[in-house]
Amino acid sequence: GAGVSQSPSNKVTEKGKDVELRCDPISGHTALYWYRQSLGQGLEFLIYFQGNSAPDKSGLPSDRFSAERTGGSVSTLTIQRTQQEDSAVYLCASSFPSMGKNEQFFGPGTRLTVL
Amino acid sequence: AQSVTQPDIHITVSEGASLELRCNYSYGATPYLFWYVQSPGQGLQLLLKYFSGDTLVQGIKGFEAEFKRSQSSFNLRKPSVHWSDAAEYFCAVGAKSGKSTFGDGTTLTVKP
Repeated sequence: GAGVSQSPSNKVTEKGKDVELRCDPISGHTALYWYRQSLGQGLEFLIYFQGNSAPDKSGLPSDRFSAERTGGSVSTLTIQRTQQEDSAVYLCASSFPSMGKNEQFFGPGTRLTVL
Repeated sequence: AQSVTQPDIHITVSEGASLELRCNYSYGATPYLFWYVQSPGQGLQLLLKYFSGDTLVQGIKGFEAEFKRSQSSFNLRKPSVHWSDAAEYFCAVGAKSGKSTFGDGTTLTVKP
């Protein structure tokens, strides 16, 4: 597609439920990133995929968070047993660093509300 | 480890006035540096980037930034601010591998 897309745009869930957030990166981009942005806060790095390399999971806040990227394209961020503190906007970005084009292109985000 | 500091959490300027947003970084090699803007309710958009070469880089919407290696800074400037520039601005430092670290952001308010 023309840009990074994310779905759903909004998700309201109950505490303890699992949620899946989807990211479709720009076609051909080898790198994919997930960030979390809490209200009024900066971007918190969660996880980074680059090509076929093992993902950098150093930013995942707990083992309730996981992500996968299938076929080097679409990625799903899964949050198990959601907590109220998980409420935030989850941003996905993609880039093409192997061509020296490290700028990240961001999707519109998924706003997650945990009741 | 790479890190970014944006010392100003919130800046208010009058429309038509000049603007400078500060960014200091820590990185062990020549950094890739970026400024992004996030308008209310919008995603992040790249304003400009520095990879190498001329230390004064021009971006979109009339913004520019200057890389100063001696000061580990990459400050964003605009000579005349417009009301539509009100937004949150993020500085980021990136590795050649692609992973970037973002600052906490500076919120810009523009007074009429």
